[in-house]
Amino acid sequence: DAGITQSPRYKITETGRQVTLMCHQTWSHSYMFWYRQDLGHGLRLIYYSAAADITDKGEVPDGYVVSRSKTENFPLTLESATRSQTSVYFCASSFRWEQFFGPGTRLTVL
Amino acid sequence: AQTVTQSQPEMSVQEAETVTLSCTYDTSESNYYLFWYKQPPSRQMILVIRQEAYKQQNATENRFSVNFQKAAKSFSLKISDSQLGDTAMYFCAFMKHLTYTGANSKLTFGKGITLSVRP
Repeated sequence: DAGITQSPRYKITETGRQVTLMCHQTWSHSYMFWYRQDLGHGLRLIYYSAAADITDKGEVPDGYVVSRSKTENFPLTLESATRSQTSVYFCASSFRWEQFFGPGTRLTVL
Repeated sequence: AQTVTQSQPEMSVQEAETVTLSCTYDTSESNYYLFWYKQPPSRQMILVIRQEAYKQQNATENRFSVNFQKAAKSFSLKISDSQLGDTAMYFCAFMKHLTYTGANSKLTFGKGITLSVRP
């Protein structure tokens, strides 16, 4: 199916564990983004990527790592999860002004 | 840096009536885009309407229209003939317009407003 997908859709983990959230797009868009959504904060940018092997920090990058070895994939890793990283995570890709969002991953860190 | 402010956390409207959601922003950019996104309980982010800052005419999409006041840095969304399916969280968002290659840019979001449409 064409579009942007995220996996898993739901994840429960424990403090200190490493977690990777996957994002895949089928359009070959150059730009991809990771946002987190928290009540009272809206969506905030974690990291973004202009192309394969080019990434840059957003507003709230601490505690996260990204990589982009292929244009279509943009995984987000929490190297040592903390309770403050409990959130809903959205991946997006963009073409010119339009951003296309994935369905989101709800992550709970116990 | 840009900031987007949505000061109303919640609003409620009767079905078939009109409601206006407020948004203000701050930027030193002269060329940019403004958006309203809808997020229903399904959590999917849905683009409602887009405004380009260089256009004076307010954008309209069916029952949705905006009041864009560039000098005041205000960008409100009007929903006419409200429907039960309009119940959702609404986000105002800002994007710089990058002129080279028509390139992409990141979005800056407001905190969102929860809209409830009463039957």
